[in-house]
Amino acid sequence: KNEVEQSPQNLTAQEGEFITINCSYSVGISALHWLQQHPGGGIVSLFMLSSGKKKHGRLIATINIQEKHSSLHITASHPRDSAVYICAVKYDMRFGAGTRLTVKP
Amino acid sequence: NAGVTQTPKFRILKIGQSMTLQCTQDMNHNYMYWYRQDPGMGLKLIYYSVGAGITDKGEVPNGYNVSRSTTEDFPLRLELAAPSQTSVYFCASTGWSTDTQYFGPGTRLTVL
Repeated sequence: KNEVEQSPQNLTAQEGEFITINCSYSVGISALHWLQQHPGGGIVSLFMLSSGKKKHGRLIATINIQEKHSSLHITASHPRDSAVYICAVKYDMRFGAGTRLTVKP
Repeated sequence: NAGVTQTPKFRILKIGQSMTLQCTQDMNHNYMYWYRQDPGMGLKLIYYSVGAGITDKGEVPNGYNVSRSTTEDFPLRLELAAPSQTSVYFCASTGWSTDTQYFGPGTRLTVL
């Protein structure tokens, strides 16, 4: 079993929909990262969380340390949000397999 | 700032050949990382460094070596290339004053 599990693996949404991507982990961590990998392969760091909630534009990330779970929400999704979203836990930097999001116009 | 730069962008190696993947950052970051991403798989940490002269193994270090003689540079060495090392390699860095990991554009390596 992977230490970091993401769901869903693939997600297709219509423009404007509210998106939720989940990340569960089984190890003790000091922080959790959410990353975005563009279709061209480039990787951008979105958030690092150690507790609570962070918001940046239309993106919101939450973490529940007791439940070992984090969620990434995208409000008012747009085709330009289409990418692979990856969570990573700061325990020797272990990564989930990613969630491939496609937003259709 | 150029951020994190990696060279080369692409490389094809024959089995048994050696090469060095270069990584440089100009943000004065203490922490640097090397990851590999196999097709359809998640990223895995190969090696990391918390500062010049200090390196440590990650999840998949076998077949690789690193050095960190300066703050800016963190080269990754493959001594005897094997087909299992076919992957995309990403270098990343972060510093004391930022939560953000900055990634390089990646090096696509094929070993035939």
